[in-house]
Amino acid sequence: DAMVIQNPRYQVTQFGKPVTLSCSQTLNHNVMYWYQQKSSQAPKLLFHYYDKDFNNEADTPDNFQSRRPNTSFCFLDIRSPGLGDAAMYLCATSPGRGPAYEQYFGPGTRLTVT
Amino acid sequence: QQPVQSPQAVILREGEDAVINCSSSKALYSVHWYRQKHGEAPVFLMILLKGGEQKGHEKISASFNEKKQQSSLYLTASQLSYSGTYFCGTNRGSGNTPLVFGKGTRLSVIA
Repeated sequence: DAMVIQNPRYQVTQFGKPVTLSCSQTLNHNVMYWYQQKSSQAPKLLFHYYDKDFNNEADTPDNFQSRRPNTSFCFLDIRSPGLGDAAMYLCATSPGRGPAYEQYFGPGTRLTVT
Repeated sequence: QQPVQSPQAVILREGEDAVINCSSSKALYSVHWYRQKHGEAPVFLMILLKGGEQKGHEKISASFNEKKQQSSLYLTASQLSYSGTYFCGTNRGSGNTPLVFGKGTRLSVIA
């Protein structure tokens, strides 16, 4: 089945220790998104890619970076995680960019910062 | 600007109906609906576009009132599997502006 895969599902890191979360997709979608979701809150968009065109949300902290080496893979790098970065990180894909396209979400990576 | 959802939470018995609302203070071009079960990823339910076009789930219905800048999701004859948090996402333009999600409505269906 075509899908969005995130690894790992659970990640524990220490305060200030860099961490990378990964996302892969077999849907061959042009658009990939990274969201941060804290407990009982809405998903908050961090970045999105349209092909290799990178779009950073204005309020995404500089501590967060992303890479998309090819259509299938996307990475979220947190350079110096703080306690406030503990959250669920969701990757999503979409066949196009714009209001008419639905998003397909991966299962998420739950990040714990100790 | 984040859309406002109401109610924040609702408890239903199996077979009962529910309506979840999503409203914005700004003109909308589209409204998306997603359901997220606890510990799982959000799942796409429906898109409603300005002008009346819809796509999505056969068993779920929704409306989009462009003038009032609001959308409603109708869940009829609820089943236990309907439990979860429902998010609306809104898009203000026809271009490439990303969705902004509301805070969600937690729906619990009990036997």
